[in-house]
Amino acid sequence: KNEVEQSPQNLTAQEGEFITINCSYSVGISALHWLQQHPGGGIVSLFMLSSGKKKHGRLIATINIQEKHSSLHITASHPRDSAVYICAPLRGGADGLTFGKGTHLIIQP
Amino acid sequence: EPEVTQTPSHQVTQMGQEVILRCVPISNHLYFYWYRQILGQKVEFLVSFYNNEISEKSEIFDDQFSVERPDGSNFTLKIRSTKLEDSAMYFCASRQGVGNEQFFGPGTRLTVL
Repeated sequence: KNEVEQSPQNLTAQEGEFITINCSYSVGISALHWLQQHPGGGIVSLFMLSSGKKKHGRLIATINIQEKHSSLHITASHPRDSAVYICAPLRGGADGLTFGKGTHLIIQP
Repeated sequence: EPEVTQTPSHQVTQMGQEVILRCVPISNHLYFYWYRQILGQKVEFLVSFYNNEISEKSEIFDDQFSVERPDGSNFTLKIRSTKLEDSAMYFCASRQGVGNEQFFGPGTRLTVL
């Protein structure tokens, strides 16, 4: 049983399009990370949020703790946004993250 | 900007050998983690470490694995007798406190032959 489900698994879009990636999780959590992983393998934290909405530049993340759902949005997408985007809930305390399988995003010029 | 560092970037070893993967977390961080990612699969949690002891470990983290913070800066993952299935990218992460985000190192690619 997957604790974290992301959709879509793969997404190809044109430059400039508005992108939405969804994450649903089945366990109770204290917070959730959105992470970015490039082909070279490195992982970068984009957001950690426990309620509401956060915005960094063209990226927006929202979470609804009651509905166990989070979304990541990219406005005015660009080819450099091409990467794997991973949802990773945190159950609490010193616990480690539980990772989703990721969404493979390709933005075509 | 402070960052988590890991050495080596790539380690090749023979099956049955011991390996030590090293991490230097961000200096004022108190919580430390190891994760692994087998090629083509999702990232998996291995172990968390706080106050010089393991806080939580996954089923993957069996007796072949151990972690240590030998001094004030390094955080190591030791695999005593490597198996072919230990081949993966190993990521170290750290965070300052319970309510803070985790920062990841660049990873060590372990290849077991």
